[in-house]
Amino acid sequence: NAGVTQTPKFRVLKTGQSMTLLCAQDMNHEYMYWYRQDPGMGLRLIHYSVGEGTTAKGEVPDGYNVSRLKKQNFLLGLESAAPSQTSVYFCASSYSRGSYEQYFGPGTRLTVT
Amino acid sequence: KQEVTQIPAALSVPEGENLVLNCSFTDSAIYNLQWFRQDPGKGLTSLLLIQSSQREQTSGRLNASLDKSSGRSTLYIAASQPGDSATYLCAVEGGKLIFGQGTELSVKP
Repeated sequence: NAGVTQTPKFRVLKTGQSMTLLCAQDMNHEYMYWYRQDPGMGLRLIHYSVGEGTTAKGEVPDGYNVSRLKKQNFLLGLESAAPSQTSVYFCASSYSRGSYEQYFGPGTRLTVT
Repeated sequence: KQEVTQIPAALSVPEGENLVLNCSFTDSAIYNLQWFRQDPGKGLTSLLLIQSSQREQTSGRLNASLDKSSGRSTLYIAASQPGDSATYLCAVEGGKLIFGQGTELSVKP
């Protein structure tokens, strides 16, 4: 049982390049989330999904797209990377809302030059 | 808009001391409150989840309390150890998980 895994762990992009971050969970969770963590700003929700085939915007969705084609996977895309997207990205999952804990992946450190 | 504040931002204590970390939030309409631990360069590990109907939760040397009416939670760590050194984050869920900025704890041997 691996929990929540993220690939890649590190990435350096040039401004304007695109990339996709992959999140996978093996806990059969319905809900999945993408956050970014920045010094002085804490963790902020980018997008989330309440089930396979669904996505919704979080607090800071601009510049990102997501897809949840399979229940176990949640992809975060950057179509045209900007230096402001330099951050540490965390994926999380939970069984549902309310009484259920969110489980986090180890993070992806992204630098955009 | 929900805002979560954690005080202090950093705390240094000698090994063996009991300590309290504080978390306050502005909107009491929450489903639950979670305390997380984050080690440098790592992800978040859930420590305790308190549902809105509960007053406290305990796990080993950790005890978390919740007072929804005053918008406050505390995380009590008993007999602190150097291995407890990490950043502790609280987060409230009222539809979405809103995080505080964390308290960086250092326990000196």
